[in-house]
Amino acid sequence: GAVVSQHPSRVICKSGTSVKIECRSLDFQATTMFWYRQFPKQSLMLMATSNEGSKATYEQGVEKDKFLINHASLTLSTLTVTSAHPEDSSFYICSALGTGVHGYTFGSGTRLTVV
Amino acid sequence: RKEVEQDPGPFNVPEGATVAFNCTYSNSASQSFFWYRQDCRKEPKLLMSVYSSGNEDGRFTAQLNRASQYISLLIRDSKLSDSATYLCVVGDMRFGAGTRLTVKP
Repeated sequence: GAVVSQHPSRVICKSGTSVKIECRSLDFQATTMFWYRQFPKQSLMLMATSNEGSKATYEQGVEKDKFLINHASLTLSTLTVTSAHPEDSSFYICSALGTGVHGYTFGSGTRLTVV
Repeated sequence: RKEVEQDPGPFNVPEGATVAFNCTYSNSASQSFFWYRQDCRKEPKLLMSVYSSGNEDGRFTAQLNRASQYISLLIRDSKLSDSATYLCVVGDMRFGAGTRLTVKP
């Protein structure tokens, strides 16, 4: 079946630094990528939607200059958390929609801790 | 009103029980509906799509009621391994808050 590889699975960084999270579709072309954030015991909150080759569309309240999304190819999308703060600590997860794939395929998630 | 709302749960049921979750949505133009399962600290995994005519997959039955704008998931003969959080997804990846199910021996 369709697989989305997400890296890193876990990262700890210092306040003020930037962290890049990658999602790669391994056996299909991801035409659309969704990025989510999930706080403990809460649901997935959609942060942004990106289509290959286009600028991402951000949800209300999500700072586009802080959460940089790049979807330059049909197999790779990245989320960069810039100038990270402790309140950015969360579980970040991507989900891809592609041709010939039923439903949405999730990456395994990245647990970010900012200290 | 939230775009997607789910039964808050948690649901604690004995093995073998039948349990049902509902999920209401606000956008009447929504065209796609899914149920996902999420285990603790893991990514959600597709459980089943929800079709207009309703669909069944083994012990799981999903139904869509467009008039009342809700979808449902019925689990029969619950197993311990069914313990998880069940998320409904409506339209363009709008997730419900999830319903936690614990099946006990």
